[in-house]
Amino acid sequence: RKEVEQDPGPFNVPEGATVAFNCTYSNSASQSFFWYRQDCRKEPKLLMSVYSSGNEDGRFTAQLNRASQYISLLIRDSKLSDSATYLCVVIQLGSSNTGKLIFGQGTTLQVKP
Amino acid sequence: DAGVIQSPRHEVTEMGQEVTLRCKPISGHNSLFWYRQTMMRGLELLIYFNNNVPIDDSGMPEDRFSAKMPNASFSTLKIQPSEPRDSAVYFCASSPGRAAGNQPQHFGDGTRLSIL
Repeated sequence: RKEVEQDPGPFNVPEGATVAFNCTYSNSASQSFFWYRQDCRKEPKLLMSVYSSGNEDGRFTAQLNRASQYISLLIRDSKLSDSATYLCVVIQLGSSNTGKLIFGQGTTLQVKP
Repeated sequence: DAGVIQSPRHEVTEMGQEVTLRCKPISGHNSLFWYRQTMMRGLELLIYFNNNVPIDDSGMPEDRFSAKMPNASFSTLKIQPSEPRDSAVYFCASSPGRAAGNQPQHFGDGTRLSIL
């Protein structure tokens, strides 16, 4: 079983739609959580951090459920420019308080006019 | 501000040749990471350094791969000898702080490596 699992999609949605991505992680000791965005043939870029209390950044809302080891990303009023691959990222802390990022395979979103 | 700088952007070489990828992290960032991305396996962490010291190299595929960080502003990832299955995009990333705890990472543009 992969440490971080995502539905690869693709999700094809019309402009203005609301779309949700899910991610599960297997290591209950995981400490920090992020969503990254990667455009085609580009590098991953941080989209937002994910907190247990949930957090919102404009049209984007991220949620973390530690009990279920589940992370979600909701995009409201989707735009053509939201088309990209969304990567779920989990940090596991090891010894000496150093951690490493574990990336999911990514979920591809295609927003159509 | 300059981001993470990687070179070369593209590399095409024949199998058996030595390949050296280079990375300059963002100034002041203490942690540096090397990743490999393929369609089949996604983004995989190969190795990461903190204050120039390798912390976790468990992702390095085999002895053909080696990485060094001789100083805070430069790192190399070397493959010798290279094989076709090494073809991938190799990303370097850096982050501030002592540990990769809550700090997001900043990625370079990547090196697209093709081994023929």
